[in-house]
Amino acid sequence: EVVLTQSPATLSLSPGERATLSCRASQSVYSYLAWYQQKPGQAPRLLIYDASNRATGIPARFSGSGSGTDFSLTISSLEPEDFAVYYCQRRDNWPWTFGQGTTVEIK
Amino acid sequence: EVQLVESGGGLIQPGGSLRLSCAASGFTVSTTHMSWVRQAPGKGLEGVSIINGGGDTYYADSVKGRFTISRDNSKNTLFLQMNSLRVEDTAVYYCARDLRGSDFWGQGTLVTVSS
Repeated sequence: EVVLTQSPATLSLSPGERATLSCRASQSVYSYLAWYQQKPGQAPRLLIYDASNRATGIPARFSGSGSGTDFSLTISSLEPEDFAVYYCQRRDNWPWTFGQGTTVEIK
Repeated sequence: EVQLVESGGGLIQPGGSLRLSCAASGFTVSTTHMSWVRQAPGKGLEGVSIINGGGDTYYADSVKGRFTISRDNSKNTLFLQMNSLRVEDTAVYYCARDLRGSDFWGQGTLVTVSS
């Protein structure tokens, strides 16, 4: 089974700063990787699909890159509503495993 | 407007059964992939099961042989039949539409397995 490892576990930043989150797969998932944002008590929200495509309604400050085994999610300038937990998900084959999550917290 | 509404969660004893429902509106469940994802309290996300547009089904190893995913096209509803429930199945269960990524999610329904 493909394992997704996200780093760092926690990112402490201030509003306006740039956030870079990493997701590494134990074997290639090609470009079939998605990113989600989850806030407490809410369902996850799709941000990025196929590694670099923004989902409908997602602000341009969110961008994704990578292919194969190394991926990243960048938030160019953090807004107050961006402090949350972020998960990556492989989608090349079932089971669609998730990374363990990165918490972006206010410094 | 796309909407997914789950129901059917609750408190159940180990070994018991529950059936979760996910009523969809704004699109047709029979023409797209639909999945169930769960989240144990304070933990991350786990893909449980998926059904594709052709009706093929897939399961996580942790639930294979115990859970069954299905849909009722006439009711535009997705189901998850959960048998032989274990304490470790305790989680919020979400249904999701899987188009390009899981692009729409329900609000989740809590399943608690405890004696």
